[in-house]
Amino acid sequence: RKEVEQDPGPFNVPEGATVAFNCTYSNSASQSFFWYRQDCRKEPKLLMSVYSSGNEDGRFTAQLNRASQYISLLIRDSKLSDSATYLCVVNNQAGTALIFGKGTTLSVSS
Amino acid sequence: GAVVSQHPSWVICKSGTSVKIECRSLDFQATTMFWYRQFPKQSLMLMATSNEGSKATYEQGVEKDKFLINHASLTLSTLTVTSAHPEDSSFYICSARGLRTTDSPLHFGNGTRLTVT
Repeated sequence: RKEVEQDPGPFNVPEGATVAFNCTYSNSASQSFFWYRQDCRKEPKLLMSVYSSGNEDGRFTAQLNRASQYISLLIRDSKLSDSATYLCVVNNQAGTALIFGKGTTLSVSS
Repeated sequence: GAVVSQHPSWVICKSGTSVKIECRSLDFQATTMFWYRQFPKQSLMLMATSNEGSKATYEQGVEKDKFLINHASLTLSTLTVTSAHPEDSSFYICSARGLRTTDSPLHFGNGTRLTVT
């Protein structure tokens, strides 16, 4: 099982749609979880950290299910500018570095 | 917010030459720096972790003699791709973290796109 797995997509949605991404991780001892966003040929940028109780930042909501080793990201009212690849990130077995999923590509159209 | 500067952004070199990539933390002291590599349509793959003043820890399958990492100060880490070959062509990204904890997110440099001809 890969350390971090994501559905690669692409997810093609119209503006205003709500879209959800899922991610599973293999290391049950992981303590740090993040969602990053990466635009084409650019470096990743932190979107939000993911906390055990779930957290929201504007149109973005992140959830963590430790029992199922599952993380989700919900985007409401999608904008054209949300088009990007969304990376699920978890700390590694040793807890010393962050491991990236392959990313889920979102394309929002007008 | 924290800024990480990476240089150069783009480099094209001939096979057999060595390329040095610099990663600087501009407004914080980076005790730990990470080097990632990303091939087209692939995820970021961690190559190595470097802590200031000590040897880098390389991930399995990454040749330490080929990818030389030097983290000589709290604001600078360098990655040297020695005797580069076309298969080394990739997007190399450095990242840094100020605190010695995995709870804090990473700050990324803007990446270096290496093309070896």
